[in-house]
Amino acid sequence: GAVVSQHPSWVICKSGTSVKIECRSLDFQATTMFWYRQFPKQSLMLMATSNEGSKATYEQGVEKDKFLINHASLTLSTLTVTSAHPEDSSFYICSARVGTSGLTDTQYFGPGTRLTVL
Amino acid sequence: SQKIEQNSEALNIQEGKTATLTCNYTNYSPAYLQWYRQDPGRGPVFLLLIRENEKEKRKERLKVTFDTTLKQSLFHITASQPADSATYLCALNDYKLSFGAGTTVTVRA
Repeated sequence: GAVVSQHPSWVICKSGTSVKIECRSLDFQATTMFWYRQFPKQSLMLMATSNEGSKATYEQGVEKDKFLINHASLTLSTLTVTSAHPEDSSFYICSARVGTSGLTDTQYFGPGTRLTVL
Repeated sequence: SQKIEQNSEALNIQEGKTATLTCNYTNYSPAYLQWYRQDPGRGPVFLLLIRENEKEKRKERLKVTFDTTLKQSLFHITASQPADSATYLCALNDYKLSFGAGTTVTVRA
C-alpha cells in the first residue's frame, strides 16, 4: 500500500518550452502533497506544499510563476515547469501525506522525474 | 533555518559488519527525526521515525538513536548485506521535512 507514482519518469525538452509532471497517490487519498528538487549529490529541497483545492505554498526563493502547481484532487498533483531553461535540469520528486499531522504522518515519495533541458 | 550535516559522503564496509551513520543539526531540536533510504534515480523510502523523547528505536537490523543534547542522531545497520547498499538520508520533521545530503553506503561481499 501507500504507492505514489510520477509521470513521466524522465523528460528531455528544449529551452523555452513547458513541461508538466504528474504525481498520483495510487491507493490512498493524500491531504497534502509536496514537491522537491534534488541536484546531484545534494539533499532534497522542498519547493512547495499543496493541499487539495487550495493554492500551493512555495518555499522562499522558488518562483511560483515558473513552477506552477495544481492539486485538483486528493490523488493528483501536477507541477508545470514553464519556460524551462538548462538550470532547471534536475530530479523532481513528489510526496504525498495522509492525515493532517505534519509531525507524525509519513510522507510517501514518488520515484522521481529526471528533467533535462537542452 | 536548520543546517543538517551527515558525517561522510560515502561509507564502504565489509558484509556482516555494522555501518554507523551520523546526522548532526545546528539549531533547535525537532520533535521528530526520520531516516530514509534512497536508491540511485529513485525517490526516498521511509525507514524509521524517532521522537525527541525517545533515546533509541529499532526495526529489524536497523537502529536509530537521538541525542538532543548533542544535536545528533546515529543510524546503525547491523549485519550489513550488499542489498543495503544505498544512500541514507536523515530528515528533521518540524511540520516540513528538511533533509541532509545523505551518506552513500556500499557493502562489499
